[in-house]
Amino acid sequence: GQQLNQSPQSMFIQEGEDVSMNCTSSSIFNTWLWYKQDPGEGPVLLIALYKAGELTSNGRLTAQFGITRKDSFLNISASIPSDVGIYFCAGVTSGTYKYIFGTGTRLKVLA
Amino acid sequence: SQTIHQWPATLVQPVGSPLSLECTVEGTSNPNLYWYRQAAGRGLQLLFYSVGIGQISSEVPQNLSASRPQDRQFILSSKKLLLSDSGFYLCAWSGRGRVNTEAFFGQGTRLTVV
Repeated sequence: GQQLNQSPQSMFIQEGEDVSMNCTSSSIFNTWLWYKQDPGEGPVLLIALYKAGELTSNGRLTAQFGITRKDSFLNISASIPSDVGIYFCAGVTSGTYKYIFGTGTRLKVLA
Repeated sequence: SQTIHQWPATLVQPVGSPLSLECTVEGTSNPNLYWYRQAAGRGLQLLFYSVGIGQISSEVPQNLSASRPQDRQFILSSKKLLLSDSGFYLCAWSGRGRVNTEAFFGQGTRLTVV
């Protein structure tokens, strides 16, 4: 099935550092979503983006809907140990009901 | 508020046995419903989605099937499980009347076929 390319695939960072990850697609999307998944749990929605160029924050998280509508970015500022997990992007195309997910970025925070 | 329930949480089944995973949503009407599968350390693969009772769209040909007998109930089934069916199965819902909206996930079912 179709998947979005997400990078980096994994990253180890020190507590307090900022994190950046991105998601790219060959297709245009009308909605970008960012999720976090803890081990053995379902993904939890972090941020939703509906407009090209939109920049939205949720606490220490900031996400942007790329101008080309083919990419999105997630930044986490001042990381803490509970940020550990897998982050997924998801895109939705107008006129469909399908959520296409990225390959995931596994984040590990070193205290 | 809306909630989504998925069960069982874990399941160990022998090869060739049948499968039935159930998902229900509360607090909303006429949701879009989805089944995803996640292999270990991998992303989410869309298996089926439904925009209404009895309406099922299949994304990946396989020995799994889905049914939606009631508005807020979504069932994933198999007549005979294969080893390759092992994985983490996730049910999700999204609101109706607006295509571009958020999707919310259940807690998942860890299926191990032995």
